[in-house]
Amino acid sequence: GENVGLHLPTLSVQEGDNSIINCAYSNSASDYFIWYKQESGKGPQFIIDIRSNMDKRQGQRVTVLLNKTVKHLSLQIAATQPGDSAVYFCAENETGGFKTIFGAGTRLFVKA
Amino acid sequence: DSGVTQTPKHLITATGQRVTLRCSPRSGDLSVYWYQQSLDQGLQFLIHYYNGEERAKGNILERFSAQQFPDLHSELNLSSLELGDSALYFCASSVGRADTIYFGEGSWLTVV
Repeated sequence: GENVGLHLPTLSVQEGDNSIINCAYSNSASDYFIWYKQESGKGPQFIIDIRSNMDKRQGQRVTVLLNKTVKHLSLQIAATQPGDSAVYFCAENETGGFKTIFGAGTRLFVKA
Repeated sequence: DSGVTQTPKHLITATGQRVTLRCSPRSGDLSVYWYQQSLDQGLQFLIHYYNGEERAKGNILERFSAQQFPDLHSELNLSSLELGDSALYFCASSVGRADTIYFGEGSWLTVV
């Protein structure tokens, strides 16, 4: 069935370094992918998304890469800041689908 | 602020009781989703409504039910509550069926 998983449950980076959070998915029919950031006690916040007709999309300090061949998604955060400390979830959906499935999440710690 | 409103924010109730969680989606959104998040866990998809109709079910217990009303707000009913039902329950909404979903701040349910 559909499954979105994460390679690393926790990631610790130094302030100013770049962070890379990885995600694997198994539903080959998924064609829409989203990254969310969840801070403690808050709801997940949309960060960036990408559709399957693209392999890279950039936002402000964030880049999402999609490799459909190996069903892999990654989120790159440039110049990581303390405010980036949170849990990051990848999620997938497919055109015409009715549910967005989330991965297990990766906790990012930013050391000052 | 995502525009998705959930009430109550916190709720403490006893085992065996029934509670109702309420959600108002963003203005213009037709889809409402419910997710459950236990402590340090991922987001488990429960159910999706689109324009008043149930469209997808996930890992929702038979003791749980939901509905979406003509004004598009939604309620999640949890009955015969057990200790293990203690969790954060999120509502999310989107314009359509496979668009970016936006989350509310969640309803913290504690069953004692």
